[in-house]
Amino acid sequence: KNEVEQSPQNLTAQEGEFITINCSYSVGISALHWLQQHPGGGIVSLFMLSSGKKKHGRLIATINIQEKHSSLHITASHPRDSAVYICAVYGTSYGKLTFGQGTILTVHP
Amino acid sequence: DGGITQSPKYLFRKEGQNVTLSCEQNLNHDAMYWYRQDPGQGLRLIYYSQIVNDFQKGDIAEGYSVSREKKESFPLTVTSAQKNPTAFYLCASSIRPTTNEQYFGPGTRLTVT
Repeated sequence: KNEVEQSPQNLTAQEGEFITINCSYSVGISALHWLQQHPGGGIVSLFMLSSGKKKHGRLIATINIQEKHSSLHITASHPRDSAVYICAVYGTSYGKLTFGQGTILTVHP
Repeated sequence: DGGITQSPKYLFRKEGQNVTLSCEQNLNHDAMYWYRQDPGQGLRLIYYSQIVNDFQKGDIAEGYSVSREKKESFPLTVTSAQKNPTAFYLCASSIRPTTNEQYFGPGTRLTVT
């Protein structure tokens, strides 16, 4: 079993839909990252969380440390949100990021 | 503009040849990392460097080598010993080794035939 599991692996939505991507992890962590990878391959950081909830525009990220679970929500989805979304956790042993396998999101107009 | 550059974006090599992937950062970050990405799998750590002239193996270091002679540069050599070198390679950096946040480069897609 992977230390970081994302679901779903593939997600297709119509423009305007509310989207949720889930991430579960099995190790102790100091922080969790949500990353976005566009078709060109480059990765950008969306959020870094160690507790609670963060919001940036139409994106919301939450984390429940006790349940070892995080969610990324996209409100009013748009075709430009189509990308791979990656959850990554920083273990309590320093410096190492462990990545989920990614969720491929496609938003149709 | 501060950031991480990787070149080239696409690289093609024949089997049996060594190839070096470039990674440069002007963020003045101490730590640098190399990851490999394969379809359907999470990124996996190849090597990392906490400081100049120092580096450690990650989870999948076999068939790879690195150097860190300058703070801003962390080249990765894919040797002929790497059994499945075709992959997408990402370089990253962080301010300090203990800092949680890493910044990623645009990646290099290596194809070996």
